[in-house]
Amino acid sequence: DVKVTQSSRYLVKRTGEKVFLECVQDMDHENMFWYRQDPGLGLRLIYFSYDVKMKEKGDIPEGYSVSREKKERFSLILESASTNQTSMYLCASNRDRPLYFGPGTRLTVL
Amino acid sequence: RKEVEQDPGPFNVPEGATVAFNCTYSNSASQSFFWYRQDCRKEPKLLMSVYSSGNEDGRFTAQLNRASQYISLLIRDSKLSDSATYLCVVNSGGGNKLTFGTGTQLKVEL
Repeated sequence: DVKVTQSSRYLVKRTGEKVFLECVQDMDHENMFWYRQDPGLGLRLIYFSYDVKMKEKGDIPEGYSVSREKKERFSLILESASTNQTSMYLCASNRDRPLYFGPGTRLTVL
Repeated sequence: RKEVEQDPGPFNVPEGATVAFNCTYSNSASQSFFWYRQDCRKEPKLLMSVYSSGNEDGRFTAQLNRASQYISLLIRDSKLSDSATYLCVVNSGGGNKLTFGTGTQLKVEL
């Protein structure tokens, strides 16, 4: 059974803080993704990675960066959190299709 | 025009009813199609893939109409446990990039 885990279910940060969201998958998947989900906007792709040390911008990369130093781990970084980054963040992985999601991190930026 | 569009609903149906959702996509080169289910405050989970010839999984039937660029999901004999948001997902950009619709909410009532 595929397992994708995320470091926190809920997180509260202050404007300007640096925020790290961690994601780990245990199925040796090559591909990993970070989405955010907002009411009325659905899931939007922030960044994805096809391999270690590889990263590609998704549809809304502004204000975010990522790191993939190991195959199983994909980190999302908010360099300076802002209130408009309050959202549900979902990590996902796959080898081909479909996607398997982690439980999500609900981030609130005050 | 959005790449993937769904009626947000909610669709309120009595238990035992048959309900159908449609989803339209804009990229005629799209190759892969899926329906995901998302329960409240949970991550999306794959419900079923959608194949060109149509496919069925128990009470669920998925169909693809390439000419009109839409996919559909039919749920027969609705159960209370079917209450969820159903996300239409399309591989519209090639590679592994999936685009999500904003979801259709289904509420099955006694």
